[in-house]
Amino acid sequence: QKEVEQDPGPLSVPEGAIVSLNCTYSNSAFQYFMWYRQYSRKGPELLMYTYSSGNKEDGRFTAQVDKSSKYISLFIRDSQPSDSATYLCAMGTGGYNKLIFGAGTRLAVHP
Amino acid sequence: NAGVTQTPKFQVLKTGQSMTLQCAQDMNHNSMYWYRQDPGMGLRLIYYSASEGTTDKGEVPNGYNVSRLNKREFSLRLESAAPSQTSVYFCASSALGTGDSGNTIYFGEGSWLTVV
Repeated sequence: QKEVEQDPGPLSVPEGAIVSLNCTYSNSAFQYFMWYRQYSRKGPELLMYTYSSGNKEDGRFTAQVDKSSKYISLFIRDSQPSDSATYLCAMGTGGYNKLIFGAGTRLAVHP
Repeated sequence: NAGVTQTPKFQVLKTGQSMTLQCAQDMNHNSMYWYRQDPGMGLRLIYYSASEGTTDKGEVPNGYNVSRLNKREFSLRLESAAPSQTSVYFCASSALGTGDSGNTIYFGEGSWLTVV
């Protein structure tokens, strides 16, 4: 079993939809949780960082962490075609040399 | 502002050939990383350098070597390429190696390597 599980998709939604992306994990020691966005043929870029449990909001993006269920989510409101990308979750404890990435979910937002 | 720059972007190698992937960052970061990304596997750490002068193995180091040439540059070498090393390689850097909220990891744009 992988330490971090992420549905690979692809997920196809109409413009304006609310998108929910999720990851589950098995290591209860994970302390920080991140979401990266990766456009085709590009490197990942950090979208959201959350430490421990709770919610964090940044514009149209909301990250949620439920440590009791070992489950994290990224919500995208009013999705746009420019949100079409692969979204990677990542989590860890201690240094970034221990960072574990999910396999990524491909999202397509069509006009 | 270039950020993290990797070369080459695309490369085809024959089994047994060697090559070096170059990486440079212009953000004065202490820590640098090499990852590989394979379908269904996510990003996996090959080697990292917490600071200039140090390197350590990550999750999948076999078949690779690295050199932290100076604070800016961190190269990845494949001594004898194998088809299993066909992948997309990303170099990354962060100010420090700790997982703090203000300590973002910045990635390069990737190097597509095919070993035939």
